[in-house]
Amino acid sequence: EAEVAQSPRYKITEKSQAVAFWCDPISGHATLYWYRQILGQGPELLVQFQDESVVDDSQLPKDRFSAERLKGVDSTLKIQPAELGDSAMYLCASSLRTSGYNEQFFGPGTRLTVL
Amino acid sequence: RKEVEQDPGPFNVPEGATVAFNCTYSNSASQSFFWYRQDCRKEPKLLMSVYSSGNEDGRFTAQLNRASQYISLLIRDSKLSDSATYLCVVNREDSSYKLIFGSGTRLLVRP
Repeated sequence: EAEVAQSPRYKITEKSQAVAFWCDPISGHATLYWYRQILGQGPELLVQFQDESVVDDSQLPKDRFSAERLKGVDSTLKIQPAELGDSAMYLCASSLRTSGYNEQFFGPGTRLTVL
Repeated sequence: RKEVEQDPGPFNVPEGATVAFNCTYSNSASQSFFWYRQDCRKEPKLLMSVYSSGNEDGRFTAQLNRASQYISLLIRDSKLSDSATYLCVVNREDSSYKLIFGSGTRLLVRP
């Protein structure tokens, strides 16, 4: 069964350092999502791509977060500099397309701890 | 006020019990509704979609009341393996087609 791949699974960093997370969606899925899930809360969308274009990044803290999907396949989410409040699970998901209902499949996530 | 609200629980029930979770949503542009299941430290996985007429999948029944903007999930004959967090999710089909997640309801099924 096809799966969304993410790496690393765990990341510990000190505040003010830079971190990067990678996601490889299910083959053929045009839409890719990055979510942040703080402990005890539901996932919150950070950025949504349709192919290589950003569809929605309204909740992305653009002063420190950046995301790219250069060839419309895999994607990287970067935080620079990391802050204590960034400690969370970062989830990547993909779906066939953006419009209409289509199931989003989640990767295993990257658990970030900022010390 | 959060767009999707759930009782965080935990609901602590014995095996075999019937348990129900409720969820309310505030945005009338919401068109599609889902329940996701999330095990501890794992990713969310789609449990079932929720249709206006109500739908059932084995021991799980989901219902939607659009007038009251209310969604429910009923689990019959609870199993130990049902222990998880259940996330209520709405799909806002305006320009963004975003999935909006509730904070989840935690279920613990005890022997």
